[in-house]
Amino acid sequence: QVQLVQSGAEAKKPGSSVKVSCKASGGTFSNYTVNWVRQAPGQGPEWMGRITPIIDIAYYAQKFKGRVAITADKYTNTAYMELSSLRSEDTAVYFCARGLKEMGTLWGDVFDIWGHGTMVTVSS
Amino acid sequence: QSVLTQPPSVSAAPGQKVTISCSGSSSNIGNNDVSWYQQLPGTAPKLLIYDNNKRPSGIPDRFAGSKSGTSATLGITGLQTGDEADYYCGTWESGLTTWVFGGGTKLIVL
Repeated sequence: QVQLVQSGAEAKKPGSSVKVSCKASGGTFSNYTVNWVRQAPGQGPEWMGRITPIIDIAYYAQKFKGRVAITADKYTNTAYMELSSLRSEDTAVYFCARGLKEMGTLWGDVFDIWGHGTMVTVSS
Repeated sequence: QSVLTQPPSVSAAPGQKVTISCSGSSSNIGNNDVSWYQQLPGTAPKLLIYDNNKRPSGIPDRFAGSKSGTSATLGITGLQTGDEADYYCGTWESGLTTWVFGGGTKLIVL
């Protein structure tokens, strides 16, 4: 059974960038998508975007376009999410989540296997 | 404020049944499939229902989903104390071209 292992907690200054990794353990991403979802303290989840590693195509939520970059290395089965120009409102737990459906469409796929989450704190 | 509206909390006694609603519009639930997620405190969300009413492997049939028009419902029967968690609905929002989640419903098992 595939598990997603994320990098550790980060503390960042406003204006800086953070890069979070997500490695598939016990398997590969294969033909599935890797999504990034964040959750601010006491709030619901918020989808940021996704990548299909096998074809290296990423799609971003409008809110984050220009500030987020989602990449993947299909050879090491690791996905990355880099968020720049950080502000205090970006303080949240960042999750990666594998899609349920192979080559799932944007509108039809769902979030099946989740990483444990990475806490990113932005504070001066 | 989410485009998907859920009640902030619901409660019921062990062994009873509870339903959680998720209300949207034609640009989200009305034209796209709905999924449901369970989040226990301090953990990642867990997929419970997808494509409106399908259960992933390992999810008991105590959990059931349905959709009608621009609303969806999650039903949980035979409530257990371990079901106490936050529940989120989610779907694609065609107008904003993004995935959206509901605000979440806290289930309290009395």
